[in-house]
Amino acid sequence: NAGVMQNPRHLVRRRGQEARLRCSPMKGHSHVYWYRQLPEEGLKFMVYLQKENIIDESGMPKERFSAEFPKEGPSILRIQQVVRGDSAAYFCASSPRGPLPGEAFFGQGTRLTVV
Amino acid sequence: ELKVEQNPLFLSMQEGKNYTIYCNYSTTSDRLYWYRQDPGKSLESLFVLLSNGAVKQEGRLMASLDTKARLSTLHITAAVHDLSATYFCAVDMDTGNQFYFGTGTSLTVIP
Repeated sequence: NAGVMQNPRHLVRRRGQEARLRCSPMKGHSHVYWYRQLPEEGLKFMVYLQKENIIDESGMPKERFSAEFPKEGPSILRIQQVVRGDSAAYFCASSPRGPLPGEAFFGQGTRLTVV
Repeated sequence: ELKVEQNPLFLSMQEGKNYTIYCNYSTTSDRLYWYRQDPGKSLESLFVLLSNGAVKQEGRLMASLDTKARLSTLHITAAVHDLSATYFCAVDMDTGNQFYFGTGTSLTVIP
């Protein structure tokens, strides 16, 4: 049973480009969480999704950021028109049930660098 | 907003020594989690503490939870180099969908 898979592991984008981050949850997990980690900081919650539904997006910036978790395929975190301040590590976690994340398992993260 | 504070933020300790990392949080929660993160890697779950007075031990690490004081401790016994990493505590709430993470404690164990 593979763990939470994120890709790419590293992503470099120029200012103004779009970044797409993918997360495949563990087998049997239908709850996905995205977190952002800025340098030297802890992780900050962004969004919680179940299949085809956004349950809680209270941590998402109001503009340029969106997330989805389609019926088939991975969850996608999309950042449009990236700026330098978007440079961070983005972690995805999945759990077999929600909403309490007590059993969440984290992926290895995507490190986004905006140049 | 729920705040989670860890101290110290940076810790350099000699092999063989003992030390404690503290995690304070600002609201009522009966659940606290400790994670380890190696550079460039993901978070590895160390402990899940689910009630007041809970104590768990794994190897040289022991975690405890005092929900009345809103305090958790991670005690390191006879540190070894392999324990060098960043340690995060996190809490969640009954009404929420997320972890609230502390800022992390970067531990370096030196020979």
